[in-house]
Amino acid sequence: AQSVTQPDIHITVSEGASLELRCNYSYGATPYLFWYVQSPGQGLQLLLKYFSGDTLVQGIKGFEADFKRSQSSFNLRKPSVHWSDAAEYFCAVGTKAAGNKLTFGGGTRVLVKP
Amino acid sequence: NAGVMQNPRHLVRRRGQEARLRCSPMKGHSHVYWYRQLPEEGLKFMVYLQKENIIDESGMPKERFSAEFPKEGPSILRIQQVVRGDSAAYFCASSLDQGPQHFGDGTRLSIL
Repeated sequence: AQSVTQPDIHITVSEGASLELRCNYSYGATPYLFWYVQSPGQGLQLLLKYFSGDTLVQGIKGFEADFKRSQSSFNLRKPSVHWSDAAEYFCAVGTKAAGNKLTFGGGTRVLVKP
Repeated sequence: NAGVMQNPRHLVRRRGQEARLRCSPMKGHSHVYWYRQLPEEGLKFMVYLQKENIIDESGMPKERFSAEFPKEGPSILRIQQVVRGDSAAYFCASSLDQGPQHFGDGTRLSIL
């Protein structure tokens, strides 16, 4: 069964500093990979996705993610965070074989210090 | 707003009552997914539907839960005889074919 691990439950970062959120997955086939962001009381917004091709993926809001097959990782990065980036971030895995149902990690809550 | 619409946003039920959660997918999307988010946890897949068909219900509890996506109208997630453990946020997502899923703002279900 596929699984997704986000090792960091909470991360605190200063405004303007860089941010990296870790995501590791376990799945036999090549998965589709996603990062979503959730603000309090809201739904999930898609930040970026990887289906195939270039392993460095650019997303919205200045985020990017790097797919490393050898490490089964899909880490999310942003060079300089803004206060509005405070939210919860979820990594998710889907596969065509599974009908594209998504398996989510437990999430990482990001706090931004002024 | 042409996004995924869920209603109600908040729903309060007493133990033993029924809860009905509605989801209207994005225009043109024929694939609907339901997920449940328990407090302090990630989302867990429940069911995947296309128009008039349940494609995958492997994440649905075997009893009290059902889902439908009729030819006309929204998708409905129905929970009968609710219990305290059903308290959660329920999210609907839709996709075009099997592309990226777009999520609604969720229904927060509270059981008294």
